Amino acid sequence: NAGVMQNPRHLVRRRGQEARLRCSPMKGHSHVYWYRQLPEEGLKFMVYLQKENIIDESGMPKERFSAEFPKEGPSILRIQQVVRGDSAAYFCASSPGSGTTSNYGYTFGSGTRLTVV
Amino acid sequence: AQKVTQAQTEISVVEKEDVTLDCVYETRDTTYYLFWYKQPPSGELVFLIRRNSFDEQNEISGRYSWNFQKSTSSFNFTITASQVVDSAVYFCAPSPGSEKLVFGKGTKLTVNP
Repeated sequence: NAGVMQNPRHLVRRRGQEARLRCSPMKGHSHVYWYRQLPEEGLKFMVYLQKENIIDESGMPKERFSAEFPKEGPSILRIQQVVRGDSAAYFCASSPGSGTTSNYGYTFGSGTRLTVV
Repeated sequence: AQKVTQAQTEISVVEKEDVTLDCVYETRDTTYYLFWYKQPPSGELVFLIRRNSFDEQNEISGRYSWNFQKSTSSFNFTITASQVVDSAVYFCAPSPGSEKLVFGKGTKLTVNP
């Protein structure tokens, strides 16, 4: 049973380009969460999605960032016109239902390290 | 706003020593959950434990144990007889009545042979 799969593991983009980060949740998991980890910092919540719905995007920057979790396929975190400050590790987590009530909490992927040059 | 304080930025111990990682949180919610995650040098996040605010019993899992004190809003984590493989950054993360985790800045534990 594969875990949460994130790709790519490392992504380098020039300033102004677009970055697309993919997350395939664990089999049977319908809830997806995105977190960002800046250097030397803890993780910060960005967005919580269920299939075809954004449930909570309170942590998403107002501009340039968007997320989706379509009916078929992985969840995508898209960053348009990247800037150096977007350089960070982006983690995706999934849960079968509520992550807080699951005995196994949220299962995280290995992250995508985005570097903007 | 919810807040998590992991006062120890870095801890260094020698193998076989016991070590306690502190976590103090702030929340106005009466019902909440508390998590600990481990991030080894390879970078992935590993789930360690989930507790709910109604269960104040301490928990032990092998060399790991957790002490939850609701009265002081603390959820401390102890590793007994530490091993080199325990070297990692450890994050405490409450989930205060919502589906998001509020991560502390983490404590970097180095276990030396």
